[in-house]
Amino acid sequence: EAGVAQSPRYKIIEKRQSVAFWCNPISGHATLYWYQQILGQGPKLLIQFQNNGVVDDSQLPKDRFSAERLKGVDSTLKIQPAKLEDSAVYLCASSLGYRVGYTFGSGTRLTVV
Amino acid sequence: TQLLEQSPQFLSIQEGENLTVYCNSSSVFSSLQWYRQEPGEGPVLLVTVVTGGEVKKLKRLTFQFGDARKDSSLHITAAQPGDTGLYLCAGEEGAQKLVFGQGTRLTINP
Repeated sequence: EAGVAQSPRYKIIEKRQSVAFWCNPISGHATLYWYQQILGQGPKLLIQFQNNGVVDDSQLPKDRFSAERLKGVDSTLKIQPAKLEDSAVYLCASSLGYRVGYTFGSGTRLTVV
Repeated sequence: TQLLEQSPQFLSIQEGENLTVYCNSSSVFSSLQWYRQEPGEGPVLLVTVVTGGEVKKLKRLTFQFGDARKDSSLHITAAQPGDTGLYLCAGEEGAQKLVFGQGTRLTINP
């Protein structure tokens, strides 16, 4: 089975610019997650979708971050405007259900200069 | 959001030695998952433990879930350089939400 696809792999932008990341989950996985992983730390959940509805976005900085999942498949995460502290790896994951584990993509490494 | 504490944060040992990594919380989780992450890649699921006291083995890796479902351990026997990586524990809260520990960076020296 194909894995979780993410693009781009790397992105360098200047502060105050905008950026968007794309994720295509495993076919049939209803639940999709975006995590932020700062260097040296574990991943932190930003937003969780169930099909195309938001389940949890309590840790998403909504003044600058937005995410959508159109038609319950692909998802995009946007940052506008970016700050230096947004430099991190952005991981997308999908899951088939409860207690079965996540499958992660390879992530997008964002550097804000 | 519940917190998970992993220890140690860094561990460097010689090939052939044994090691144990701990994952602790004051809260109960419905499951506890262990992932391994290599540089430039996303975490890869190693195991999911669900029942208190459960022990699972994956070749030289042994995973245990605490009786109260608040803590877990990962034991590696006869470590090999290929075991090098970042080991992450993650607790599952309601609605399929995973909370991750900060990770243990393991280095096995030949």
